[in-house]
Amino acid sequence: GAGVSQSPSNKVTEKGKDVELRCDPISGHTALYWYRQSLGQGLEFLIYFQGNSAPDKSGLPSDRFSAERTGGSVSTLTIQRTQQEDSAVYLCASSTQRGPQETQYFGPGTRLLVL
Amino acid sequence: AQSVTQPDIHITVSEGASLELRCNYSYGATPYLFWYVQSPGQGLQLLLKYFSGDTLVQGIKGFEAEFKRSQSSFNLRKPSVHWSDAAEYFCAVVISNFGNEKLTFGTGTRLTIIP
Repeated sequence: GAGVSQSPSNKVTEKGKDVELRCDPISGHTALYWYRQSLGQGLEFLIYFQGNSAPDKSGLPSDRFSAERTGGSVSTLTIQRTQQEDSAVYLCASSTQRGPQETQYFGPGTRLLVL
Repeated sequence: AQSVTQPDIHITVSEGASLELRCNYSYGATPYLFWYVQSPGQGLQLLLKYFSGDTLVQGIKGFEAEFKRSQSSFNLRKPSVHWSDAAEYFCAVVISNFGNEKLTFGTGTRLTIIP
């Protein structure tokens, strides 16, 4: 079946603008993760959703970042008042969430450039 | 806190030569260990994973990895590399934390293949 999809593939925005990044996980996967890949920080965890439970937001770098997951499926990561240091590739992953050994399947990412 | 170290930032090998990419982790118990590959412009793809049992794990694309508890290592190997193996390789660990099985990544090793 289809893998994890993300949109847009690329986003260029001006400093101070808000952006929304979208993730469609694999159908039936209850766990969804957002990660950020940047030159300075490498790959880092941002936020985790599992079913209808409250998300784990412990990786969000500031209160400008937020995410939601509607209906246990599609997720949107929102960055408000973007800054140049937000430029990175944002990766989404999903898994069946049956234990830590389960594979996380990654989308192709959204490359964000803040000018 | 748990961490993953990939000591080699960049490795260059000739096509057909053998390959070993190093990964060390710090954690008191046996972690869940993963190797992912990221080709240019692509998302992350799982190569293999270890969580118990046989310490030599076979993965896709002819890769294998060996878990060595005494050395806290999980090195990735391939007997004969192909030009298509040129990519960035990430070692990662999962320490289950109240259901958030987020991946903690190493900084990655970029593999270049020369003819």
